Amino acid sequence: DVKVTQSSRYLVKRTGEKVFLECVQDMDHENMFWYRQDPGLGLRLIYFSYDVKMKEKGDIPEGYSVSREKKERFSLILESASTNQTSMYLCASSSSGTGLDEQYFGPGTRLTVT
Amino acid sequence: AQSVTQPDIHITVSEGASLELRCNYSYGATPYLFWYVQSPGQGLQLLLKYFSGDTLVQGIKGFEAEFKRSQSSFNLRKPSVHWSDAAEYFCAVGALAGTASKLTFGTGTRLQVTL
Repeated sequence: DVKVTQSSRYLVKRTGEKVFLECVQDMDHENMFWYRQDPGLGLRLIYFSYDVKMKEKGDIPEGYSVSREKKERFSLILESASTNQTSMYLCASSSSGTGLDEQYFGPGTRLTVT
Repeated sequence: AQSVTQPDIHITVSEGASLELRCNYSYGATPYLFWYVQSPGQGLQLLLKYFSGDTLVQGIKGFEAEFKRSQSSFNLRKPSVHWSDAAEYFCAVGALAGTASKLTFGTGTRLQVTL
């Protein structure tokens, strides 16, 4: 079974702090994704990566950056956390077999910025 | 750009009753369509997907969906709902971005099941 793990289930940070959210997948997938999930807005794509050291902006990249130094690990960075970044963050991965393989999701990190 | 509309924010059905969750998409080419389910406190799990071929797609947990190009719809159905089906359901349309599949999700439909 594919496993996508996220470093924390719950996180509380202060405004202005630098925040790292870590995601690891164990299926040698090429593609990895970061989404945020908010009530009434569904999932919105922040960034994705299709290879090590490669990244692409999603629909809402402002205020975020990412890092992918190893194939299995994809980090989301909030350079200076703000209260409007309080949300559920979901990581996902997929292979590049057909280019449209299903995405496998982690359990999510609920981030609260105070 | 692609988009997905799930017109029902919240649906309540009785256990044993049939279920249909609506999904309408907008996409310029042949769409790649997905239904995911999110149980409380969990990540998303794929229920089924449509790429091409038979327009009636079978998925896990007894769910099915029908692709109707003329109506730009991909509605999810289940003939008899179980209490464990209470969850949030997301429809998504996929598009290639390089070698990655970029998904655009709807806003979700929360299903409540009454006993």
